[in-house]
Amino acid sequence: ETGVTQTPRHLVMGMTNKKSLKCEQHLGHNAMYWYKQSAKKPLELMFVYSLEERVENNSVPSRFSPECPNSSHLFLHLHTLQPEDSALYLCASSLNAGSNQPQHFGDGTRLSIL
Amino acid sequence: KNQVEQSPQSLIILEGKNCTLQCNYTVSPFSNLRWYKQDTGRGPVSLTIMTFSENTKSNGRYTATLDADTKQSSLHITASQLSDSASYICVVSDPRTALIFGKGTTLSVSS
Repeated sequence: ETGVTQTPRHLVMGMTNKKSLKCEQHLGHNAMYWYKQSAKKPLELMFVYSLEERVENNSVPSRFSPECPNSSHLFLHLHTLQPEDSALYLCASSLNAGSNQPQHFGDGTRLSIL
Repeated sequence: KNQVEQSPQSLIILEGKNCTLQCNYTVSPFSNLRWYKQDTGRGPVSLTIMTFSENTKSNGRYTATLDADTKQSSLHITASQLSDSASYICVVSDPRTALIFGKGTTLSVSS
């Protein structure tokens, strides 16, 4: 039990589909993050939310749309993805936003684009 | 450009043996350095976190060292076990920006 739960664990979708990834944290944290992990590449930070406000968007294509309805939940809405978007998408949370805070990761959603 | 380089890229050792993983970074200024363990199909889990003033930190059979002058860190695993097979990721924090991740070292422990 990591305290950060991601669903679904696996997702296969076509390029024209619309789907959403969900992340829920039970740690009482105020900051949540989306990362992309591709094979043989470092984790790439996509979005940062602090107290439900987006504080960072690392030049992510608009086909990825995050949503943070409250401090415990984070979504990543997917639309018209490309094959190169196939990757492991990790959610993380920390007590507050900032690089000094330890981040707790979920187990990720393995996304495959056909 | 801030970078984190890890070596080796992959490593195979026999159960019970020790091993050392390396992390070199160019991040400046530097706030802290973390080592994460990522099992296959799971998210990264924090092993150690060190500030610039700390030289060593242990977590069971894992010992991390840090030389802030040479910008090098190592993760030493003692008496390896099959469950140590995983990817080990070095992460360096620049206080002005987000975390900077290395590509990781894949460790395989065989019996």
